[in-house]
Amino acid sequence: EVQLVESGGGLVQPGRSLKLSCAASGFTFSNYYMAWVRQAPKKGLEWVATISTSGSRTYYPDSVKGRFTISRDNAKSSLYLQMNSLKSEDTATYYCARHGGEYYGFSFAYWGQGTLVTVSS
Amino acid sequence: DIVLTQSPALAVSLEQRATISCKTSQNVDNYGISYMHWYQQKPGQQPKLLIYEGSNLASGIPARFSGSGSGTDFTLTIDPVEADDIATYYCQQSKDYPRTFGGGTKLELK
Repeated sequence: EVQLVESGGGLVQPGRSLKLSCAASGFTFSNYYMAWVRQAPKKGLEWVATISTSGSRTYYPDSVKGRFTISRDNAKSSLYLQMNSLKSEDTATYYCARHGGEYYGFSFAYWGQGTLVTVSS
Repeated sequence: DIVLTQSPALAVSLEQRATISCKTSQNVDNYGISYMHWYQQKPGQQPKLLIYEGSNLASGIPARFSGSGSGTDFTLTIDPVEADDIATYYCQQSKDYPRTFGGGTKLELK
């Protein structure tokens, strides 16, 4: 069974940094693109970052480019999101997601339960 | 960026058909594949993949869910609607970066 468990969320002041982690199990982690998707309170879904299987390619929307960094450790089956220069508009639940691979293409096929990040003074 | 537009809400009666639309600002087809996916999200839960690449049912999803469309117009159909289907539904494109979602359609009981 695919499991994705996020951690590292919490309350942080504007301008500070936070690093999220996602522990993956139930599949061969190194075979799949991985991503972070966030959801502000009572709002819709927003894609935040994607990383290739080896970690050599990363992708971001303009809203976080230059502030957020996605990375992975295939030996530990773990995904990370380093968030710097946080703003109040970054307040959201952050979901770790696995891309579909050969069966589900580039959909977000599996999701974690999410971790809440609150940016406030 | 590719913009996805969904109606905010849809009221439906149990055992009737619900059709949720998603219109994109650009064509999301390529080489015969529609790079459009649908998700269901219930309150307090993470999203769940329902339909991938336009019309393919994800594993474990009931056959009352179906996806159709191509190019810039897509539809998620639930027939018949059951009480457990009351949720918010999102479309999402993976044709281009940045990946984008529709604003979501909240399915409500009439």
